[in-house]
Amino acid sequence: GAGVSQSPSNKVTEKGKDVELRCDPISGHTALYWYRQSLGQGLEFLIYFQGNSAPDKSGLPSDRFSAERTGGSVSTLTIQRTQQEDSAVYLCASSLTRGGRGIGEQYFGPGTRLTVT
Amino acid sequence: AQSVTQLGSHVSVSEGALVLLRCNYSSSVPPYLFWYVQYPNQGLQLLLKYTSAATLVKGINGFEAEFKKSETSFHLTKPSAHMSDAAEYFCAVSSHTDKLIFGTGTRLQVFP
Repeated sequence: GAGVSQSPSNKVTEKGKDVELRCDPISGHTALYWYRQSLGQGLEFLIYFQGNSAPDKSGLPSDRFSAERTGGSVSTLTIQRTQQEDSAVYLCASSLTRGGRGIGEQYFGPGTRLTVT
Repeated sequence: AQSVTQLGSHVSVSEGALVLLRCNYSSSVPPYLFWYVQYPNQGLQLLLKYTSAATLVKGINGFEAEFKKSETSFHLTKPSAHMSDAAEYFCAVSSHTDKLIFGTGTRLQVFP
C-alpha cells in the first residue's frame, strides 16, 4: 500500500512569503506528526494530531507556524512570513496509535525541503 | 522530561567489522526507545523498537539493540558491517503522546 506522501518535495520561497506544506498519511492512521530537520537543530517535533485535534502543539517555534488536519486525513503545515531560519526539511509521520502508552510505529514521509532566500 | 544522547556524531568501520552506535536516554517514566535510519535524501525508516518486552531487540538488516536500564542505554549493534549500511542513524525516545524525541544522530561510514 501507499506510504506517507508529502508535497512539494522541494520549495524555494522568498523571505516574507507564506508557504503551505502538505502531508498525506497512510490511510486509516489516526495519529499524525510534523517534525523539522535542520543542520543546527537536528530533528525537532513540531505538532501532533489525533484525528483532527492537535493535543500537542508544543514544538511549533512561533505563531507564524500553524497546522490543520481535515477529515482525519490530510494535514497542512503553514508558515507565514517565512524567515531564513525556517529553511529545513519538514517531515511528516503517521501511526495507528491513539497516544498514551500503546505504542505503534511512526511511518515517515520523504519530507519537504524548504529553502527561504 | 525525556532526552537521548548519541555519543559520536561520526563512526567509521571497515566492511565486515562490528558496528556499535551508542545511545543513552533519560526518562522519568518507563521509556519506549527506537532506532531509525536515514539514507541520503530519504525519510526515516524504523530499524527497531523497544516497548518493555524483551530487552534484546532484533530489527531489520541484521541490527539489534539491548535495553539496559541500569546503564540507561540502548546501543545499536550489527556483527558485520556492509557497505549498504552507510547512513545516518537516530536514536529516539517517545513521550506519553508518542511524539519522538530524537538524538543528534550518528553518521556511519563503511570503508571497503
